[in-house]
Amino acid sequence: TQLLEQSPQFLSIQEGENLTVYCNSSSVFSSLQWYRQEPGEGPVLLVTVVTGGEVKKLKRLTFQFGDARKDSSLHITAAQPGDTGLYLCAGGRGSGGGADGLTFGKGTHLIIQP
Amino acid sequence: NAGVTQTPKFQVLKTGQSMTLQCAQDMNHNSMYWYRQDPGMGLRLIYYSASEGTTDKGEVPNGYNVSRLNKREFSLRLESAAPSQTSVYFCASSWINGGSYNSPLHFGNGTRLTVT
Repeated sequence: TQLLEQSPQFLSIQEGENLTVYCNSSSVFSSLQWYRQEPGEGPVLLVTVVTGGEVKKLKRLTFQFGDARKDSSLHITAAQPGDTGLYLCAGGRGSGGGADGLTFGKGTHLIIQP
Repeated sequence: NAGVTQTPKFQVLKTGQSMTLQCAQDMNHNSMYWYRQDPGMGLRLIYYSASEGTTDKGEVPNGYNVSRLNKREFSLRLESAAPSQTSVYFCASSWINGGSYNSPLHFGNGTRLTVT
C-alpha cells in the first residue's frame, strides 16, 4: 500500500495569515490531486498535478508537485474564513488507464479564525 | 445536474443485519468507486468498478460486496453488519482518460452508517 502522509493534521490560524500544507510519500505517483471537503459533503477537487516540478495557482492557492513526484504542497496566501475545511491529497498510479482509484492522505483540518 | 447521488443519507443497523447502499451517477462516467472515511484513517478504497461489468477489490474489501448494475449504478452491500463497519461511505465516479494518470473523482455526499 502506498502511503501519503499529510502534515500538519490540524491547523488553526488567523485571517490574513499564510500557511502551507504538506503531502509526502516514499512512493512515486503518476499524478497528485488535492481535494477540499466540508462537513456533511463529499470531497471536491481543487487541482491535479501530473508533472514533476509543476506549479499551479488558483487565486490565493498555490500547488506544487515535487520533482521526484513523491511529494506535494499546498500554500494559501492571506487565508480567509471561507478557506476553512478538510484538505486531502490523493495520489494515483495511473494503472488501468487511470481507473484503479486514488490513495488518500488522512487530511489536514484547517480553521481560519476571523 | 445531480452528479453522484447516494441513498440513504443516514442508516442505523444492528449487528448482523444486512443492507445495500445505493449510488447513481448521471455524468456518463466509466469508473465508479466506494470509499469509507473514518476519523484518523482518511478515505480508504473498498471496491471499484473500472467499467460496466467489472469490479475489483480495493484496500479494505472484507465484509462487503458490490454490484455494478449498469453504467450509472454501483451498489455496496453489507451482508452481516459489524460495529467496525460504522463509518461514512462515499461513492465516487470518474472517466477513464486512457492515459498514465488518474482522472479526478466526483463524490456523492455520503451515507453515514452506524452499526450497534
